[in-house]
Amino acid sequence: NAGVTQTPKFRVLKTGQSMTLLCAQDMNHEYMYWYRQDPGMGLRLIHYSVGEGTTAKGEVPDGYNVSRLKKQNFLLGLESAAPSQTSVYFCASRAGLLSTDTQYFGPGTRLTVL
Amino acid sequence: AQSVTQPDIHITVSEGASLELRCNYSYGATPYLFWYVQSPGQGLQLLLKYFSGDTLVQGIKGFEAEFKRSQSSFNLRKPSVHWSDAAEYFCAVGAGFGNEKLTFGTGTRLTIIP
Repeated sequence: NAGVTQTPKFRVLKTGQSMTLLCAQDMNHEYMYWYRQDPGMGLRLIHYSVGEGTTAKGEVPDGYNVSRLKKQNFLLGLESAAPSQTSVYFCASRAGLLSTDTQYFGPGTRLTVL
Repeated sequence: AQSVTQPDIHITVSEGASLELRCNYSYGATPYLFWYVQSPGQGLQLLLKYFSGDTLVQGIKGFEAEFKRSQSSFNLRKPSVHWSDAAEYFCAVGAGFGNEKLTFGTGTRLTIIP
């Protein structure tokens, strides 16, 4: 049981390049989330999904797009990377059946935009 | 809107000493509250959570937290810290319909000295 996995673990981009971060969960969870973590700012929600085929904006969605074509996968895309998107990105999933369900986090992806 | 404040950015404690990390929240209804721990280079792991009932909650690794509605606080405690407790600690409050989202505090970094 791998839980929540993220690919890649590290990535360096040049300004203007695009990339996709992949999050996968094997717990059959309905809800999935993408956060970014910056020093002194905690975790901020970028986008989330409450089920296959659905997405919703979080606190800081600008510059990112997401897709949830399969229940187990949640993709985060950067169409034109900017230095301000240098951050550590965390994916999380949650069963979503009960309001008391817990979010489970992946190990993170460290992205540097030059 | 909900918010979480962790007033201490960095705390240093001697090994074997007691620990208290502060968390204050702002939320209109009864909050769902969480403490997560992040070891260096790792994802977030749930320590404990509070939804209702007994205001003293026990978690993993010997941690506990007490919900005090009158003070809007949910402080994390441990009677005797170990070197392995060095990490960053995040308090979070659940929000949205069915507790679908989390709002995180900015975190407290804990250093343990021998």
